[in-house]
Amino acid sequence: KNQVEQSPQSLIILEGKNCTLQCNYTVSPFSNLRWYKQDTGRGPVSLTIMTFSENTKSNGRYTATLDADTKQSSLHITASQLSDSASYICVVSARRDAGNMLTFGGGTRLMVKP
Amino acid sequence: DTGVSQNPRHKITKRGQNVTFRCDPISEHNRLYWYRQTLGQGPEFLTYFQNEAQLEKSRLLSDRFSAERPKGSFSTLEIQRTEQGDSAMYLCASSLIGHHGELFFGEGSRLTVL
Repeated sequence: KNQVEQSPQSLIILEGKNCTLQCNYTVSPFSNLRWYKQDTGRGPVSLTIMTFSENTKSNGRYTATLDADTKQSSLHITASQLSDSASYICVVSARRDAGNMLTFGGGTRLMVKP
Repeated sequence: DTGVSQNPRHKITKRGQNVTFRCDPISEHNRLYWYRQTLGQGPEFLTYFQNEAQLEKSRLLSDRFSAERPKGSFSTLEIQRTEQGDSAMYLCASSLIGHHGELFFGEGSRLTVL
């Protein structure tokens, strides 16, 4: 069964600090992995998308890593800001003939405090 | 193009009533998805369309749920005889075939069943 597990479930950090969110998956055959940011009451917004051959991808203060061998990804946030408070969702895509199948993680709820 | 548009953004209804949500995808996107999201959880897949064809439906989509995309553009999701357990955020997303299937989400329609 395709599964995506995220940790921690929730996290509180002080403004200006760094943090790392984890995503472990058992999705096969792997197509790509995305990280989304979801503000409370809003729709998810894409941060990064990584294919099998990519190990690291950055988007401003967000850096995602992918280890396809261990089936793990991380999202590192540098110099956190209050506006980073949100849920971060890891989504893994499995390749199928009928089109990719997406499996969503439960998300990590990040709160950045002043 | 302003992205994926959903309405209404909020709907409060009494148990047993029918509700309908509308989604207008990004205009050139041929795939359209519906997801349900409850508080603190990741989105759960309900159904998706490629153009006007409904290609896949989740087991979550009971016979009280029906989705249409009559002209391959906007889509509606109707819930008949609503139950309190239907209270959730209903997210619509669209994508282009290829492009790693990257999803662009709407802001969601929040349903509260009293």
